[in-house]
Amino acid sequence: NAGVMQNPRHLVRRRGQEARLRCSPMKGHSHVYWYRQLPEEGLKFMVYLQKENIIDESGMPKERFSAEFPKEGPSILRIQQVVRGDSAAYFCASSPGKIGQPQHFGDGTRLSIL
Amino acid sequence: AQKVTQAQTEISVVEKEDVTLDCVYETRDTTYYLFWYKQPPSGELVFLIRRNSFDEQNEISGRYSWNFQKSTSSFNFTITASQVVDSAVYFCALSEESTGTASKLTFGTGTRLQVTL
Repeated sequence: NAGVMQNPRHLVRRRGQEARLRCSPMKGHSHVYWYRQLPEEGLKFMVYLQKENIIDESGMPKERFSAEFPKEGPSILRIQQVVRGDSAAYFCASSPGKIGQPQHFGDGTRLSIL
Repeated sequence: AQKVTQAQTEISVVEKEDVTLDCVYETRDTTYYLFWYKQPPSGELVFLIRRNSFDEQNEISGRYSWNFQKSTSSFNFTITASQVVDSAVYFCALSEESTGTASKLTFGTGTRLQVTL
């Protein structure tokens, strides 16, 4: 299966801990997007990255959240000092990068904060 | 600013009924793209269709059909002869060319479709 791979599928953290979410794009895709889905809500754009570059982070909270997409390895969404309000499903998508091309999504990471 | 509205929060139908999911969008761009995604109970997001703003031709794929009307800024999705497996949350999404980036998506809040026997 050459689809978008996200891990872990479920992640439980206590308040104040760090959460790291990983995303490997579809083969041949060099553009990665992160979205957050709060319970019973639609998906909200967070950040768009290409290899080693952040292209658009207009949807990222100003504090505690960061993202990277290194030259080698998966994209990482990092949440420091998690709070209960960070509980959500985090989806990664990838595309070839051409405007209008559909984004293909991973299965998401369900983050629960105790 | 771009916006997508799915006014129907939840729809329940009996199997074999036809059902239409509404999507209304707002954009200032002349070039934009519209998408539908399906999120079944298992939680993944499945791409269904893409339409660009210059192509108003309706599309049919099996039991699915899409009606794109620029005059009313709508991109509605119809499922004919619905089946239980169609039960899911359906999202409409929009991307604008003017963002200058390769299509970050703005999603509607989704319509939950429940198909019962």
